Amino acid sequence: GENVEQHPSTLSVQEGDSAVIKCTYSDSASNYFPWYKQELGKGPQLIIDIRSNVGEKKDQRIAVTLNKTAKHFSLHITETQPEDSAVYFCAASNSSASKIIFGSGTRLSIRP
Amino acid sequence: SQTIHQWPATLVQPVGSPLSLECTVEGTSNPNLYWYRQAAGRGLQLLFYSVGIGQISSEVPQNLSASRPQDRQFILSSKKLLLSDSGFYLCAWSVMEGGEQFFGPGTRLTVL
Repeated sequence: GENVEQHPSTLSVQEGDSAVIKCTYSDSASNYFPWYKQELGKGPQLIIDIRSNVGEKKDQRIAVTLNKTAKHFSLHITETQPEDSAVYFCAASNSSASKIIFGSGTRLSIRP
Repeated sequence: SQTIHQWPATLVQPVGSPLSLECTVEGTSNPNLYWYRQAAGRGLQLLFYSVGIGQISSEVPQNLSASRPQDRQFILSSKKLLLSDSGFYLCAWSVMEGGEQFFGPGTRLTVL
């Protein structure tokens, strides 16, 4: 079955700098890769996703890249702000599967 | 628009007592439904998922069970709680299998 590994587990960056979180997946049939942000005491919220027919997707300060050959994808947050502090989860799935597989999460802290 | 509700928001129960957590989805029909558990500072563990009324798949053998008595209602139960059942329980729904999932606000369960 699919296995998703996420690194780093914790990340601290200076406000205004960029943050990068990386994930790898094992199942070459995976074709959908969402990213979730979880604030303290709340449920995860989808922030951006990418499908296997594109290599990069951007939404304001957030971007995701996908390398299907290497089976890895990354989340990039530019010009980080205090409200970006949260736990971020990557995930992978394919359209024929009943579930999506989550990474173990990255706790991102933004230093003022 | 679609919304997902969970209740209660917090729960403190003694060891050996029963449990019933409820999740309902509004604004969509025949959703796929999921129960996750999240231990403190940890990732998301898929417990159960359902692709239709009365159809429950269990991911991890444990002290819990799930039921789907109505199309948009998903219930997580236990006959006798263990200390290890403490955690943050999240319900999620999706339109299609392997597609983006939308999470509820969660229930924080403490077993004493």
